[in-house]
Amino acid sequence: SYELTQPPSVSVSPGQTANVTCSGNKLGNKYTFWYQQRPGQSPMLVIYRDNKRPSGIPERFAGSSSGNTATLTISGTQAMDEADYYCQAWDRTLGFFGSGTQVTVL
Amino acid sequence: QVQLVQSGAEVKKPGASVKVSCKASGYTFTGYYLHWVRQAPGQGLEWMGCINPNTGTTTYAQKFQGSVTLTSATSISTAYMELSRLRSDDTAVYYCARVAVRGVIGDAFDIWGQGTTVTVSS
Repeated sequence: SYELTQPPSVSVSPGQTANVTCSGNKLGNKYTFWYQQRPGQSPMLVIYRDNKRPSGIPERFAGSSSGNTATLTISGTQAMDEADYYCQAWDRTLGFFGSGTQVTVL
Repeated sequence: QVQLVQSGAEVKKPGASVKVSCKASGYTFTGYYLHWVRQAPGQGLEWMGCINPNTGTTTYAQKFQGSVTLTSATSISTAYMELSRLRSDDTAVYYCARVAVRGVIGDAFDIWGQGTTVTVSS
């Protein structure tokens, strides 16, 4: 089994930067994916392969990864970014999700 | 447009089985792995396993080996997830999700179904 650890919650003021971390053994050697999930909705991909943004995802979403930690950065956070964020990685052919981080925009 | 549409909510008794469907449209069904992810109430996402619709080959998370069966019907572009010996802690929303890269088992999930709520209660 492969474990991914995320902080349960992150608070950010509107317009400021939110950093959501995801830790796992040698995570930097794997690709990390990030999903946003708003209440009552299906998850949505916001970052793939560590730092790539899918079409339609705002530039304020960015990703990085090194060593044992991957980070999702939301710059100029907006009220609409308030959601749960999950990191995800593959260990060979098995998928693993982090426990999720609730981002609150105060 | 590319989409996955899942079957409706289910209520089952403990010990029963449930089969959830996931109908694909807008792309070549056999070209992309389909995965299943579940989310218990108030909890996080949990990867269950996947199927290659072209070959029928399946991969399961260790936790679900023996209790989950993934199948597909290529003629109707539909994947199925059957969970047997249901327990109350199987109460969850079950999602199907497509991998973005053709023929690759593990990459980004670019398309998700709307979710199917399965409630297990006596």
